[in-house]
Amino acid sequence: DGGITQSPKYLFRKEGQNVTLSCEQNLNHDAMYWYRQDPGQGLRLIYYSQIVNDFQKGDIAEGYSVSREKKESFPLTVTSAQKNPTAFYLCASSKGGPSSGNTIYFGEGSWLTVV
Amino acid sequence: GQSLEQPSEVTAVEGAIVQINCTYQTSGFYGLSWYQQHDGGAPTFLSYNALDGLEETGRFSSFLSRSDSYGYLLLQELQMKDSASYFCAVRDRNQGGKLIFGQGTELSVKP
Repeated sequence: DGGITQSPKYLFRKEGQNVTLSCEQNLNHDAMYWYRQDPGQGLRLIYYSQIVNDFQKGDIAEGYSVSREKKESFPLTVTSAQKNPTAFYLCASSKGGPSSGNTIYFGEGSWLTVV
Repeated sequence: GQSLEQPSEVTAVEGAIVQINCTYQTSGFYGLSWYQQHDGGAPTFLSYNALDGLEETGRFSSFLSRSDSYGYLLLQELQMKDSASYFCAVRDRNQGGKLIFGQGTELSVKP
C-alpha cells in the first residue's frame, strides 16, 4: 500500500544528543514537509522540500536540519541546538507545487521526548 | 505574511450541525483545505476548495469565499467519533508554496 512511513514512533533523547527521525514515502510525491506539533497546538512548519536536493526553511527551522538526497526520503535531524525538542513530529508529502492544490498526506508521527 | 484564524474550541451534541469558521490572510492564495486530527493521530485530509462555493462530501461540507478571505467546514448529523481537532490550511504561492495551518479547532461532541 502507498503511504508515508515515519520511524521511530517513540524516541527518547538525552540532552545534548542529536537524533534523526526517518520519513519515507512511496507515493511518488515531489514535495515533502516536516511539521512540529506541541500538545493542544497547531502545526508549525520546520522544513520543506519541493524537489530532490533542494529544501527550504519553514517557520521554526532553528535547531533542525534535513536532507533530500532521494525523492522517497526526507530525514529530520533534531540537533542539540534545539532548546525544547519534546514534541510530536509529523512528516508529510504532496504531489507537487502550488498548482497541484493543497492536499498533503501525513505519516503517523513520531513522539520525541527529552529526558 | 500569512495567518489563519479559527475558533479554539466548539461543543455540540450528537445529531446536531456545527460550523467551524476560518479566516485567512495570505499574499498568494491557491485554495483552502480542511484536515481532521484525532488525539495522538496524524491529520487526515477532509476537503479542498479552490473556487468560491460549497463542496459536499457526505456529512461534511466546506465553503469558500475568496473575496471575504473566509471559509468554513460544516459537519452534519454529528457523531461521537467526530470529536477531534479540525485545521484549515492554505498554500501561499509567494512563500515558495508552503502549506500554512491554522491553530486548530477542538470539536467536542456530547451525547
